[in-house]
Amino acid sequence: QSVLTQPPSVSGAPGQRVTISCAGSSSNIGAGFDVHWYQQIPGKAPQLLIYVNTNRPSGVPDRISGSKSGTSASLAITGLQAEDEADYYCQSYDNSLNDWVFGGGTTLTVL
Amino acid sequence: QVHLVESGGGLVKAGGSLRLSCAASGFTFSDYYMSWIRQAPGKGLQWVSYITGVDTVYYAGSVKGRFTISRDNAKNSLFLQMNSLRAEDTAVYYCARAERHGRTSSWSYFDYWGQGALVTVSS
Repeated sequence: QSVLTQPPSVSGAPGQRVTISCAGSSSNIGAGFDVHWYQQIPGKAPQLLIYVNTNRPSGVPDRISGSKSGTSASLAITGLQAEDEADYYCQSYDNSLNDWVFGGGTTLTVL
Repeated sequence: QVHLVESGGGLVKAGGSLRLSCAASGFTFSDYYMSWIRQAPGKGLQWVSYITGVDTVYYAGSVKGRFTISRDNAKNSLFLQMNSLRAEDTAVYYCARAERHGRTSSWSYFDYWGQGALVTVSS
């Protein structure tokens, strides 16, 4: 059971928009800790996708965006492409556990 | 560019030990905090351990007392000594650079990751 809750899977057709939610609590996201997102293509190492809630590292297209509100965060991908098929993880810090915590991961399928 | 390369993974029997290494290049290693993060087969990411530049260390509860993180800034290397290994420690172990955006290490995200080292613990 992950501290941050994500849907196990989402899907969308090419060109569509999908969102992935990340639900936390008052000891992590709700405590003000920022949320970061990672993309993991099967068989590869995770890569940073969004940092500090809304920021994109260089090379990440602007059709990918992040947001945070209250005790949750979301990742949005517009103009879905086949290359977006991957697993996505949110990450924050929990001051009750004193741990860096990850969501359970969401598998994105492009139909 | 930033490059992290793990080594030292392998097959070990339950109760045994293993030492992972991570060779860093492309950045000033001593300026950055570092972390180990693992992924069990078919599962999600789990933070394992974290070390600051001055050797303050943190551990996940599941490994505390069994794993030891350390670094050698002169050799641009990060280590994870794993003792009393259990079957549930079987995972790919990633070395990751921690980028801080706040006053304390709590405000960290992991901006570069190695390719991972597979540790298999047989029972």
